[in-house]
Amino acid sequence: GENVEQHPSTLSVQEGDSAVIKCTYSDSASNYFPWYKQELGKRPQLIIDIRSNVGEKKDQRIAVTLNKTAKHFSLHITETQPEDSAVYFCAASKRQGAQKLVFGQGTRLTINP
Amino acid sequence: SAVISQKPSRDICQRGTSLTIQCQVDSQVTMMFWYRQQPGQSLTLIATANQGSEATYESGFVIDKFPISRPNLTFSTLTVSNMSPEDSSIYLCSVGVSTEAFFGQGTRLTVV
Repeated sequence: GENVEQHPSTLSVQEGDSAVIKCTYSDSASNYFPWYKQELGKRPQLIIDIRSNVGEKKDQRIAVTLNKTAKHFSLHITETQPEDSAVYFCAASKRQGAQKLVFGQGTRLTINP
Repeated sequence: SAVISQKPSRDICQRGTSLTIQCQVDSQVTMMFWYRQQPGQSLTLIATANQGSEATYESGFVIDKFPISRPNLTFSTLTVSNMSPEDSSIYLCSVGVSTEAFFGQGTRLTVV
C-alpha cells in the first residue's frame, strides 16, 4: 500500500523566516496531496492541497509544490508568524478528493519570536 | 463543508471494558472514516464505514476489536473492545466533502 514519509520531524525557525516541509510517497497512483495543520488538542484542519495534474499551488503565505516524477511534494510557509506554530501533516490519496488518506509522520513547527 | 460532532470528547476506561464512540455529521455522506492518533504520532486509518454494508478494515485492524456501525448516512459508531493500555489514543472520525476531509474533534481515550 501507500507509504508517506515526512521530514523533518521537528523544525524551528525565526519569526519572519520561511519554513519548508517535505514528503515523499510510494504509490504512483496517488493523485491528491493535502496538508493539514493540527494545533495542540485540536482537530486537523486543511490548509492547502494539490492534485497530480498541477505542479504548484499558492495561497497567500502558503504554497505547495509537487514533483510527480520524483514522487515528492513540499509545503512552503513564508513570512512565518507565531500562530503558524503547530504540527503539520502531509497526506496522499488515490481517490479523487479527500478519501482514505495516508498521512505522513508529522512535523512539529515552532516559530521563535 | 461539514460539521462533525463526536462524543465523548474524552474518557478514562478500565482495561477489559469497551467504549463506543459516536460520530454525527450535519449532512449525508456516503463514506465515513475512523482514524487513530497515538500520542505524539500521526493519524492511521482504522476503517471505512459504508452505509448498508460492512466496514472495510485496514491492515492491522480487525472487526472483533473495532466493530463499527453505520445505520444511516449521517451517523456512525466505533467501539473499542476489550481495551488494554495500548489502546490509549485519540480516535477521530472523518468525512470527505468535495475535495476536503473534515474531522471530528476526536475522542481522547485513556485505558488504565
